[in-house]
Amino acid sequence: GENVEQHPSTLSVQEGDSAVIKCTYSDSASNYFPWYKQELGKRPQLIIDIRSNVGEKKDQRIAVTLNKTAKHFSLHITETQPEDSAVYFCAASSGEGSYIPTFGRGTSLIVHP
Amino acid sequence: SAVISQKPSRDICQRGTSLTIQCQVDSQVTMMFWYRQQPGQSLTLIATANQGSEATYESGFVIDKFPISRPNLTFSTLTVSNMSPEDSSIYLCSVEDRQGARETQYFGPGTRLLVL
Repeated sequence: GENVEQHPSTLSVQEGDSAVIKCTYSDSASNYFPWYKQELGKRPQLIIDIRSNVGEKKDQRIAVTLNKTAKHFSLHITETQPEDSAVYFCAASSGEGSYIPTFGRGTSLIVHP
Repeated sequence: SAVISQKPSRDICQRGTSLTIQCQVDSQVTMMFWYRQQPGQSLTLIATANQGSEATYESGFVIDKFPISRPNLTFSTLTVSNMSPEDSSIYLCSVEDRQGARETQYFGPGTRLLVL
């Protein structure tokens, strides 16, 4: 089955800096890669996703890049703000039949004011 | 996106007892999923619940311990049976929301369970 590795496990940045979280996956059939943000005590919420026919996708201060050949994808957050502090999960899915993602272990992002 | 609610939001239970968690969605969905998230950990899929069929359990999870019901397209329950302190966790239901060619998973608010 799919295996998703996520790094780093903890990331500490100063407000205004950029943050990058990286994930690798093992199943070359995976074609859908969502990112979830989970604030303390809250549910995971989808913040951005990318499909394998696209190399990059941006939404305001967040962007995701995908390298299918190398089987890795990354989340980029620019101009970080304290409210970006949360745990971020990457996931990968083949999307065949039904979408059941395999999640990474999560990255705890801390943005210091 | 689908609006998902769960009950109870949290509970403290004694070992050996059972707790049933309810998940309600505001629209009809084919697939519903139950996850466990232990403190500081990632999301682990327990089982997939389709309406009208037996739930499909992931490796390490069995029906006797985590029986699931899916009586209709908007509701599901997960029971945590014969609980032990190791079952202390957050239990989340999620649904697959298909919008055109896009499949996205949305999560309920979770049920925080503490077993003493």
